[in-house]
Amino acid sequence: DAKTTQPPSMDCAEGRAANLPCNHSTISGNEYVYWYRQIHSQGPQYIIHGLKNNETNEMASLIITEDRKSSTLILPHATLRDTAVYYCIHVYSGANSKLTFGKGITLSVRP
Amino acid sequence: EPEVTQTPSHQVTQMGQEVILRCVPISNHLYFYWYRQILGQKVEFLVSFYNNEISEKSEIFDDQFSVERPDGSNFTLKIRSTKLEDSAMYFCARRQGRWQPQHFGDGTRLSIL
Repeated sequence: DAKTTQPPSMDCAEGRAANLPCNHSTISGNEYVYWYRQIHSQGPQYIIHGLKNNETNEMASLIITEDRKSSTLILPHATLRDTAVYYCIHVYSGANSKLTFGKGITLSVRP
Repeated sequence: EPEVTQTPSHQVTQMGQEVILRCVPISNHLYFYWYRQILGQKVEFLVSFYNNEISEKSEIFDDQFSVERPDGSNFTLKIRSTKLEDSAMYFCARRQGRWQPQHFGDGTRLSIL
């Protein structure tokens, strides 16, 4: 089973920041935090990942707490196309590194 | 994001028949994966493949399943004798290197009648 905990759903207004929380209290020291999203029934889309430092790319920002037991994905200016299921996964970035998906959090962006 | 192409996009097959799902490779990608998602359920790991051999497989990946990447060509998933419960979306994922993220294709919808 997935080892992360996410609320089942949340919504935000278009143009506002969406802050998606995730608890991963069992994460071990060499595991990364990855975020993916799935729009409708398309394949999961990689968003961002990090180990302990905060990360930012063209899609989002990832804030990891100092104890690494939780993180927040930030979509700075949500659009309707960001409506999707978002998955938080922690995984050792080794040779195999299978991804274990949970139920994720359904983000609904309203006009 | 690297494009990951899967063929066919939709496959309809009679129960008991063999199916082969394909993932088009990028030459500098080393790690390959298959996942599946039954309608309304979670995405589930099936198998990982590195250096032309299986590196890990799940309980789902039984003797009816096989993978291969002959001579650097398409990465394939074969189901020998399909069952109704094999109906699902099957996603291929690839990773360029050990420290790189997995990138997924848009999947093959497999429907078993």
